[in-house]
Amino acid sequence: SAVISQKPSRDICQRGTSLTIQCQVDSQVTMMFWYRQQPGQSLTLIATANQGSEATYESGFVIDKFPISRPNLTFSTLTVSNMSPEDSSIYLCSVVPGQNWEQFFGPGTRLTVL
Amino acid sequence: EDQVTQSPEALRLQEGESSSLNCSYTVSGLRGLFWYRQDPGKGPEFLFTLYSAGEEKEKERLKATLTKKESFLHITAPKPEDSATYLCAVQTIYNTDKLIFGTGTRLQVFP
Repeated sequence: SAVISQKPSRDICQRGTSLTIQCQVDSQVTMMFWYRQQPGQSLTLIATANQGSEATYESGFVIDKFPISRPNLTFSTLTVSNMSPEDSSIYLCSVVPGQNWEQFFGPGTRLTVL
Repeated sequence: EDQVTQSPEALRLQEGESSSLNCSYTVSGLRGLFWYRQDPGKGPEFLFTLYSAGEEKEKERLKATLTKKESFLHITAPKPEDSATYLCAVQTIYNTDKLIFGTGTRLQVFP
């Protein structure tokens, strides 16, 4: 498994602003993912962030809205840009630390946009 | 289109009352099926991975089984601390990076 931390744990933001969420892992991992969980909904993959390459975005998510950085094997950031109330969600990072494809999740960042 | 459906949406049990949660899937090629537990305000906690039909895994009061079309999470003699949302997710052989999640079953166990 892996120990994953996220900052901030929660935030309340004004529409039109941007928020950067940090994800830190206690071990080096190649594969890191960002998910969104809207209120009462399940998890939807935003993008895959592998170190040394550009993030790969899922259908419906674009880099201008959700830019991702992956500067090393233990850290990544997701920015939610030009926020609107529809962006209010929990944002989660996850990692695959081993060879068996089991994903482990961070505690999440609860974002509220007013 | 790859799809995962969980039922029931919500389940209320008396402490000690055993039951099962269902996860039905339609995918082009299954590589693995994952079960997670999610407590309110927290990230999902990994429980099990199942790879092939007939496989079973157990952890305390939980047992997960897999067939070619669905998976069951059996909860034996549940306790109030088992209350949580249980999520299943599938991984296909064509895109091993991606987990496709169901909408979850919200379980409440009353003393």
